[in-house]
Amino acid sequence: DVKVTQSSRYLVKRTGEKVFLECVQDMDHENMFWYRQDPGLGLRLIYFSYDVKMKEKGDIPEGYSVSREKKERFSLILESASTNQTSMYLCASTPRTYEQYFGPGTRLTVT
Amino acid sequence: TQLLEQSPQFLSIQEGENLTVYCNSSSVFSSLQWYRQEPGEGPVLLVTVVTGGEVKKLKRLTFQFGDARKDSSLHITAAQPGDTGLYLCAAKMNRDDKIIFGKGTRLHILP
Repeated sequence: DVKVTQSSRYLVKRTGEKVFLECVQDMDHENMFWYRQDPGLGLRLIYFSYDVKMKEKGDIPEGYSVSREKKERFSLILESASTNQTSMYLCASTPRTYEQYFGPGTRLTVT
Repeated sequence: TQLLEQSPQFLSIQEGENLTVYCNSSSVFSSLQWYRQEPGEGPVLLVTVVTGGEVKKLKRLTFQFGDARKDSSLHITAAQPGDTGLYLCAAKMNRDDKIIFGKGTRLHILP
């Protein structure tokens, strides 16, 4: 079974803090994705990566950056957290550009 | 612009009843996936459909891809409380490798 893990299930941070969300997959997938999920807005793509050290902006990249130094690990960085970044963050990986395998999610609250 | 419309948004029915939820678009897709997401967890892939008119069954769940590959339906027979969750459809556009998600149908099965 594909396993995608995320570093934290719940996280509370203060406005202005730098926040790191880590995602690790164990199936040697090339593609990895970061989404946020908000009520009424659905899943929105923040960034994705098709290979190590490669990244592409999704639909809502503002306020976020990513890092992919190793194939199995894809990190999402909030440079200066703001309250409007309170959300459920979901990481996914896939061997192709469909059939995404999701992690359990990180519920981030920024106060 | 919401490219994938899911309906209904919410559905609450009694255990044992049948139901159908829909995923519609004006665009043609090369493939379409259905996911189920339970509260506080990441979405889990249920099925991928690729061929127009394709029907796939997963126990009491029947998935159909429209002949023109613009829409899909999920039919649940004899719904059970364990079917409760958010059902998401996602599709890969023909023109690029991006995946788009619908906003989901939130299903609640009453015991």
